[in-house]
Amino acid sequence: KNQVEQSPQSLIILEGKNCTLQCNYTVSPFSNLRWYKQDTGRGPVSLTIMTFSENTKSNGRYTATLDADTKQSSLHITASQLSDSASYICVVTTQGGKLIFGQGTELSVKP
Amino acid sequence: DVKVTQSSRYLVKRTGEKVFLECVQDMDHENMFWYRQDPGLGLRLIYFSYDVKMKEKGDIPEGYSVSREKKERFSLILESASTNQTSMYLCASRTGRYEKLFFGSGTQLSVL
Repeated sequence: KNQVEQSPQSLIILEGKNCTLQCNYTVSPFSNLRWYKQDTGRGPVSLTIMTFSENTKSNGRYTATLDADTKQSSLHITASQLSDSASYICVVTTQGGKLIFGQGTELSVKP
Repeated sequence: DVKVTQSSRYLVKRTGEKVFLECVQDMDHENMFWYRQDPGLGLRLIYFSYDVKMKEKGDIPEGYSVSREKKERFSLILESASTNQTSMYLCASRTGRYEKLFFGSGTQLSVL
């Protein structure tokens, strides 16, 4: 069964600290993996895309990694800001174009 | 800038009412989706459409129907609203099967 599991469910960090969010998937056949950020009361917005051959990709203070062998991805946030408070959702696309969503990690950045 | 517009941010309806949720995208996207989002359950796919007049059931289609008469518009219909359909509804579109989704801001529906 195609599944995407994210951890932790929620996380509280202090402003300026780093954090890492995890995404494990059992999706086959795999096409790509995206991380989305969802601010409260808004729709999700794509942060990064990882394909099978990519290990690391950065978007400002966000760095995503992918290990296709272990089927794990992480999203690392550097020097967190209050505006990083949001839900982060890992989404895997199958080769048929089907989207498998994780349940999300709720990040809260405190001053 | 890319835009997916949902007609209402908040809706309050009574049990048994017929409810229409409208979604319009201005990007000429082929694919459009309706999801509902509930705490602890994440996003769940209700219906999707890969082209005009086409529709496919998602994972939780019961109690819902959809209409796509024009490429830019995808409507979600609750034939007879029930309290367990109280949820956040999100519309999304994409240009192709492997492209990113663009989401609307969502409609928070309360069924009393």
